[in-house]
Amino acid sequence: SQTIHQWPATLVQPVGSPLSLECTVEGTSNPNLYWYRQAAGRGLQLLFYSVGIGQISSEVPQNLSASRPQDRQFILSSKKLLLSDSGFYLCAWIFRTGIGYGYTFGSGTRLTVV
Amino acid sequence: AQKITQTQPGMFVQEKEAVTLDCTYDTSDPSYGLFWYKQPSSGEMIFLIYQGSYDQQNATEGRYSLNFQKARKSANLVISASQLGDSAMYFCAMSPRGGYQKVTFGTGTKLQVIP
Repeated sequence: SQTIHQWPATLVQPVGSPLSLECTVEGTSNPNLYWYRQAAGRGLQLLFYSVGIGQISSEVPQNLSASRPQDRQFILSSKKLLLSDSGFYLCAWIFRTGIGYGYTFGSGTRLTVV
Repeated sequence: AQKITQTQPGMFVQEKEAVTLDCTYDTSDPSYGLFWYKQPSSGEMIFLIYQGSYDQQNATEGRYSLNFQKARKSANLVISASQLGDSAMYFCAMSPRGGYQKVTFGTGTKLQVIP
């Protein structure tokens, strides 16, 4: 069965420090992968998506970057965190249902920048 | 551009009763998919139901059904026989055909089930 792993679950980082969040998928190959951010009490904002190794599309200009070093690995990074980077980060991949597509999300990382 | 509107920031429902969560959308894409997700307080996003724009019948998954009215551009979620565990945030979302690109989410509706 397909599973998606995301870590760490929570993270408290000082302003100006680097960031690395990792997402891995099991049980599938060549998945489309996504990074979303959810600010407190708000909806989800797509940050990056990737359709394959080394292929990254950015949705919004920001302090973050993403990389896809392996087929089933998707990494979200920052060189210097800002207070505004605080939020709940979710990794997701797309799967095919009997009638269409769905999205499976990881368990999320709650990032607090202090 | 795609847009999802959820006009109910919060709702209450009595346990065992049915509830409808509203969702309207706007898109210029000829084909698209519509989704509903549940987000409990733990934060995980749980996929509930999917409706394709060309599907003739409304999607159903257990106690969840999607009331799809294409002409009105609405995709309301109906939860029958509400349970206490249904208390959560609910997000409506849509994607263009194939779902490979940007998925647009609504701002969510917080549902609270009252015993």
